[in-house]
Parts: sequence; C-alpha cells; structure tokens
Amino acid sequence: DQQVKQNSPSLSVQEGRISILNCDYTNSMFDYFLWYKKYPAEGPTFLISISSIKDKNEDGRFTVFLNKSAKHLSLHIVPSQPGDSAVYFCAASTIGGFKTIFGAGTRLFVKA
Amino acid sequence: SQTIHQWPATLVQPVGSPLSLECTVEGTSNPNLYWYRQAAGRGLQLLFYSVGIGQISSEVPQNLSASRPQDRQFILSSKKLLLSDSGFYLCAWSEGKAFFGQGTRLTVV
Repeated sequence: DQQVKQNSPSLSVQEGRISILNCDYTNSMFDYFLWYKKYPAEGPTFLISISSIKDKNEDGRFTVFLNKSAKHLSLHIVPSQPGDSAVYFCAASTIGGFKTIFGAGTRLFVKA
Repeated sequence: SQTIHQWPATLVQPVGSPLSLECTVEGTSNPNLYWYRQAAGRGLQLLFYSVGIGQISSEVPQNLSASRPQDRQFILSSKKLLLSDSGFYLCAWSEGKAFFGQGTRLTVV
C-alpha cells in the first residue's frame, strides 16, 4: 500500500515557466512533509519541507503548499531553470518518528 | 558538520554471491540510520532502519539483512544475491529530515 503517491512519472516545462509537482498521501498521522531532488547516480538532496501546522512554505524559487483536508501537497518552482531538471521525490513522516516514506518520484524536464 | 559515506559507488556481482555495503556517518552521535533501495520506476523503498547499536527494524521481507556494529556504522548484507536485488541502494541518517549518501549501483548478473 503506497502511503505517499506521486501520480505523474514525468513533467516537461519550458524554461522560465512554473513547474508544479503534485503529491498525495493517505496516512493522516503524517505531520511533516519534504521534497527531495535527485540527479542520476547521486543520493537525493533535501530541498524544502513543511509541517502540518502550516499550509505554505517558501524558499527562493521553491514553494511547497499543503492541503491537509485533501491530503495533498505540491511543489512550485518559479521560474523553472534547465538545472532544475531532475527527479523530485515527495516524502512524509511523523515529527519525532523514525520513518520517512517516499513517493515514486516525478522526473522534471525543463527545456531551454 | 555531518557527513555520510557510502561505498562502493558501483558493484557488479554474480547471482549467488554475498554482498556487503557499508555506510558510515561522521559528526553526529546516535543517529537514526536507514537503508533505502531505488528500483526502476518504484521510488525509494525503505528496507531497514536502526535507532541504535544492534537495533535493526526490517520494513519488507527480502533477501537482505542489515547490521549496526557501531554507533555510526550501518551495513547491508546478503548471503546469496538474487537478480531481483539489483538496484540503487542508499544509506541515510536522519534528524527530522533525511540526509543521503551517494548511493551504490548494484547490478546482479
């Protein structure tokens, strides 16, 4: 049973436009959500996070939105750059918990 | 600052051979440690986690095992590899958010 779902395996966006990556979760106990970026043959790197007491967190070009009632979060990248091309993983955990559960990832292509 | 080392970067092993992947963390004490596997199209699957020396929790039944002989050392092992064990293995430590090693690409042939 996938507790964290990223239903879009890939997304293609023109440079300068907005990229929106979506993620859904099923476990209502999750209260901490993260996005990771991964290049081929490398480990994922942390990008941005949000706790369940917030509905938005912004860091430069990256903004994460959380809709708890819909159990949905999204990552917005504005403006998108070719260097943003990577696989993006959504992840969820419980604060103070031991496990972080990852989605299947979305491959983002930003075209110049 | 904390760093995590994982080796080797790539490994090609025949079916039935043993496996040992090692991960060490520096700059932190008593970290929570994790082994993940990224199989094609399946995201990051949590295999094992450890909250202390000798304490291992397995998330999925499989052909692999994990050990934590020292506070900052986490080892992933197998006695006999299967073709289905091929994948990209990632070690991580966590304090709220997870920090990953560079990964090991394992190909079982």
